[in-house]
Amino acid sequence: GQQVMQIPQYQHVQEGEDFTTYCNSSTTLSNIQWYKQRPGGHPVFLIQLVKSGEVKKQKRLTFQFGEAKKNSSLHITATQTTDVGTYFCAGTNFGNEKLTFGTGTRLTIIP
Amino acid sequence: EPEVTQTPSHQVTQMGQEVILRCVPISNHLYFYWYRQILGQKVEFLVSFYNNEISEKSEIFDDQFSVERPDGSNFTLKIRSTKLEDSAMYFCASSKVVGQTYSGANVLTFGAGSRLTVL
Repeated sequence: GQQVMQIPQYQHVQEGEDFTTYCNSSTTLSNIQWYKQRPGGHPVFLIQLVKSGEVKKQKRLTFQFGEAKKNSSLHITATQTTDVGTYFCAGTNFGNEKLTFGTGTRLTIIP
Repeated sequence: EPEVTQTPSHQVTQMGQEVILRCVPISNHLYFYWYRQILGQKVEFLVSFYNNEISEKSEIFDDQFSVERPDGSNFTLKIRSTKLEDSAMYFCASSKVVGQTYSGANVLTFGAGSRLTVL
């Protein structure tokens, strides 16, 4: 079945440093989504990427979808304490409504 | 902002007991889902539901699990005879549309979750 892996599993960064998480799917995706889950919370939708090679920005967050539509990345510039949480990518195969979540990257910030 | 509501927020049960988790999806959403997350692990797909029937289910969703939309608003997950390994956070989610490549398809809104503890 489809597998979606993320690296790293954990990342501890000093406040103000940058952070990147990488997402790789075993199959080609129709679209990729990113969700953030705060400690003790539920996944909250951040963004969706649909086109091959697409790049989208949300303030300090930059999301990228690979040319082959099998990988994606999330980069946060100048992290803040509010960025703490686990970031999940999630992908959908063509003609399918099931969203398969990646393994997640837990980000902690050292003030 | 519309939200998905789930009850109970926490349920403690004895092994072998039946549990029903309830969800009220967003009113104009058509696709409903249950996911579960064992503590510290990833969010795992259980089942999707559309037009009053299961559209897809994972290998986790065995005969002990069932879903139902008993009325126009509620969406329930029943675990017939709970096992210790069913202890997890169960998230309900809903989506307005599903499809392939257009923006907005398959975007899920999650509820706050129901934590199930099986003793």
